[in-house]
Amino acid sequence: DVKVTQSSRYLVKRTGEKVFLECVQDMDHENMFWYRQDPGLGLRLIYFSYDVKMKEKGDIPEGYSVSREKKERFSLILESASTNQTSMYLCASSLPVDTEAFFGQGTRLTVV
Amino acid sequence: QQQVKQSPQSLIVQKGGISIINCAYENTAFDYFPWYQQFPGKGPALLIAIRPDVSEKKEGRFTISFNKSAKQFSLHIMDSQPGDSATYFCAASPGGYNKLIFGAGTRLAVHP
Repeated sequence: DVKVTQSSRYLVKRTGEKVFLECVQDMDHENMFWYRQDPGLGLRLIYFSYDVKMKEKGDIPEGYSVSREKKERFSLILESASTNQTSMYLCASSLPVDTEAFFGQGTRLTVV
Repeated sequence: QQQVKQSPQSLIVQKGGISIINCAYENTAFDYFPWYQQFPGKGPALLIAIRPDVSEKKEGRFTISFNKSAKQFSLHIMDSQPGDSATYFCAASPGGYNKLIFGAGTRLAVHP
């Protein structure tokens, strides 16, 4: 059974904290993604990685960075958390060509 | 500005009826158009996908219609069932690599 695992389902962090969201996939996929999901806005792409150590900005990269040191792991970093980063964060992985993207169950982050 | 515009935001359909969700795009580089289904508490999962070389694709009760000249595509759910109640996202990806851009989502409720 294919799997994308996000390290936490729920997180509460304080404003200004550095926050790490971890994602691991077991499908040997080249592509990995971080999206945030907000009501009425759908899924917005934060960052996309198509290979180890390779990354590309999505539509809303401001305030975020990513790290991909191993093929199976893709980390999203909030350098200094702010309340407007309170959201549901979804990680996904896929093969490099146009095929199904597999999503994790999401991390609901609350910044207080 | 959303690259993929989806409507309606919400939809209520009676059991047995047809659910129709529409999406439009501007970027002519998009050449892969999937639809994802998301149940509460879960990540999105691929429902059905189409490429622009065909105008229609059917899988069971789910059909994608694609109009390349109008840059529009739609999802039709025939004989809608209460179990179809979920949020549906259209998406698009530019050719060559699977960088999915999602619409804002449609929350579908099918009443018995």
